[in-house]
Amino acid sequence: QKEVEQDPGPLSVPEGAIVSLNCTYSNSAFQYFMWYRQYSRKGPELLMYTYSSGNKEDGRFTAQVDKSSKYISLFIRDSQPSDSATYLCASGRTTDKLIFGTGTRLQVFP
Amino acid sequence: KAGVTQTPRYLIKTRGQQVTLSCSPISGHRSVSWYQQTPGQGLQFLFEYFSETQRNKGNFPGRFSGRQFSNSRSEMNVSTLELGDSALYLCASSEGAIDTQYFGPGTRLTVL
Repeated sequence: QKEVEQDPGPLSVPEGAIVSLNCTYSNSAFQYFMWYRQYSRKGPELLMYTYSSGNKEDGRFTAQVDKSSKYISLFIRDSQPSDSATYLCASGRTTDKLIFGTGTRLQVFP
Repeated sequence: KAGVTQTPRYLIKTRGQQVTLSCSPISGHRSVSWYQQTPGQGLQFLFEYFSETQRNKGNFPGRFSGRQFSNSRSEMNVSTLELGDSALYLCASSEGAIDTQYFGPGTRLTVL
């Protein structure tokens, strides 16, 4: 079993939809949780990170962590075609290696 | 600040050869991590260097090695290349802890 699991998709939604991207993790010692966005032929770009359970909002993006169920989510409101990319969740412990999910490919069509 | 830079961006090698990839972190960042990204396995951690010392290591064979210089620049070396080493190699830097990492554009290695 991988330490961080993510549905690979692809996920295809119309412009303006609310997108929900999800990951699960198995290591209860994980302390921080990240979401990266990766456009084709580019390196991953850090979107959001959080250390605690609950919600963290940044513009149209909301990251949600539930440590009791080891569940990580990213919500995108009012999705745009420019949001079309692969989204990677990641988790780990401070000073330890970061473990990535395999990524979910999202396509937002006009 | 300038972002993470990686050179070269593209590389074609043949089996058995060796290759060296370079990474320049964001100014002030002391931690540099290397990852291999393939369609089947996703992003896999190779190793992390902090202040010239390897701090963490992933589950890759000894053919994969790295080092970090006093100016925090890092190099990764792969010896005796195999076809399966074809991948996007990504470098990421952070100030200290491994949490907020910033990635470079990657080096796409093709082994023929």
